[in-house]
Amino acid sequence: QKEVEQDPGPLSVPEGAIVSLNCTYSNSAFQYFMWYRQYSRKGPELLMYTYSSGNKEDGRFTAQVDKSSKYISLFIRDSQPSDSATYLCAMSVTGGGNKLTFGTGTQLKVEL
Amino acid sequence: SAVISQKPSRDICQRGTSLTIQCQVDSQVTMMFWYRQQPGQSLTLIATANQGSEATYESGFVIDKFPISRPNLTFSTLTVSNMSPEDSSIYLCSVEDNDRFQETQYFGPGTRLLVL
Repeated sequence: QKEVEQDPGPLSVPEGAIVSLNCTYSNSAFQYFMWYRQYSRKGPELLMYTYSSGNKEDGRFTAQVDKSSKYISLFIRDSQPSDSATYLCAMSVTGGGNKLTFGTGTQLKVEL
Repeated sequence: SAVISQKPSRDICQRGTSLTIQCQVDSQVTMMFWYRQQPGQSLTLIATANQGSEATYESGFVIDKFPISRPNLTFSTLTVSNMSPEDSSIYLCSVEDNDRFQETQYFGPGTRLLVL
């Protein structure tokens, strides 16, 4: 069993839809949770960063962490074609220069 | 956040040869990381490189296969040695950004390697 599970998709939604992306994990020691966005032929770009449980909002993006269920989510409101990318969840046990454990990524396509 | 560049952006190499990938950062950083991203798989950490010390390798990765240099606080190289087709992958360097979140990493654009 992988430490971090993520549905690879692809996920196709119409423009303006609310998108929900999710990851589950098995290591209860994870405390730092991140979402990266990766466009085709580009490196991953940090989108959201959350410590421990709770919600964090940034514009159209909301990250949720439920440590009791070992489940994290990224919501995208009013999705745009420019949101079409692969979304990677990542997590680590401690801060600083610690190893990040990634999901395999979910490919999202927002269609006009 | 730090601006990270990698060279080459892509390459096609023959089996048995070696390729050195360069990673340059526009600011001084303590820790640099090298990852591999194979098709359909998650990013996997190869090693952590601190300036002035030997790189620390993750399980399954060895120095003879992936030697790393870290001569200063803005530069690192990863060499993929004695390549086989199984080494075909995207190789990414990342840095810990001390100006914003010390707890996370920012990535370069990646080097796309195809081994024939």
